[in-house]
This record gives sequence, C-alpha cells and structure tokens, in this order.
Amino acid sequence: KNQVEQSPQSLIILEGKNCTLQCNYTVSPFSNLRWYKQDTGRGPVSLTIMTFSENTKSNGRYTATLDADTKQSSLHITASQLSDSASYICVVADRVLGNSGNTPLVFGKGTRLSVIA
Amino acid sequence: DSGVTQTPKHLITATGQRVTLRCSPRSGDLSVYWYQQSLDQGLQFLIQYYNGEERAKGNILERFSAQQFPDLHSELNLSSLELGDSALYFCASSPGRGRRGYTFGSGTRLTVV
Repeated sequence: KNQVEQSPQSLIILEGKNCTLQCNYTVSPFSNLRWYKQDTGRGPVSLTIMTFSENTKSNGRYTATLDADTKQSSLHITASQLSDSASYICVVADRVLGNSGNTPLVFGKGTRLSVIA
Repeated sequence: DSGVTQTPKHLITATGQRVTLRCSPRSGDLSVYWYQQSLDQGLQFLIQYYNGEERAKGNILERFSAQQFPDLHSELNLSSLELGDSALYFCASSPGRGRRGYTFGSGTRLTVV
C-alpha cells in the first residue's frame, strides 16, 4: 500500500473555479510535506513545503493545509487558470529515512487537473 | 530553468541496447537522485548519490547502474533495454540529504522500440 495516497485521481474544472486536492499519508514521523506541480513531460516544480508544525502555507493562488493529527493535507487552488492544468503531487519527507541518510521523499501518484475554458 | 540539467532530452533506441543519461546538479548541491516515471505512474525512486558515494537504492533494476563523478555530475546507465523501460527519467539534486532545496531537472524521455 502506498504511503501517500492522493484523491481524486483526476479532476476537470472550469476556468475561474476553485478546487481542492487531497493527500492522506501514513509516513510517520515525517519532516515535511511538499506539494509539487508537474506539467506534462516536465520535471516537478515545488509549490509549498510545510514542516510538521505548520498548518498552512500559501504560494499565490495555491494554499496548502496540513493536519498532522489526521495525517491529511490539502492543496486549494483559487480562481483556476488554464495554465494550472497539470499533475499535482503530494510528497512526504520521511524523518527516519532522512536521518539514516537514505532518500527521505515518498511520492504520491498525483492528481491530474484539467482546467477548461 | 531549475538549475538541474539533464541530457539528452529525448532518446529513442532499440531493445537490447545500452544508453547513458546525464545529469548536472544545481551549483552547490551534493546529492543527486534518479527517478523513473512510467506513463501515468508516480515517480519511482531509483538511486541516490551524495558527494560521489552511493547513499540509497530504491527500485533499481540490476540492468541499471549509476555513478556520480568528482565534479558531481551523475550518469545513469541503462542496459539490455526492454520495451517496458520506456519512461521519463528525472534527476533531482539537493544541498544535503534531501531535506530542503530539492530541485528536479526537466527529464529525459526514453523510448525503446
């Protein structure tokens, strides 16, 4: 079972609308949780990084929230634009793996967002 | 431009062949990570190098190998290629052991025919 589960798998919304993407994780303890945006055929680009003590982090029209108690995070996109069409990937940094020198990042499979006019 | 350079951008080769993918990390970054992303799949971690030494291994096949050179660039070697090896291969770099400053390159699209 994947330690980072994202929902929905895909989403289609109209330009200008808001949407919220979900991420549930079981990685524990963790150092930080990240949201990446990946355009088709391109490398992922970081949107937000939150430590376990942060509840929310914004980057322009993107706002990420984190509930470390329920192990849930969400990414809210406001006033969507056509250029927001991409995959959004939730990534959790495993603190134990990180401290042991292994790669600490655990990737979700992403939510494919399509914004249409 | 993320600062992480991957070459080539595209590669088409036949089954059974061997290819080398190259990655130059962002200036100052010591760690290099390789990931494979097959169609509609999440990123699968292959291998990590830190300052020239192998640090961690993920789901890397025995037909695949990698190394990091003294100038910190890294190469991923894929041999005895199969159709199923067709994928995007991403390199990422970070200053230390991957906590922050984790930056991806634009990837190499490998097509095996």
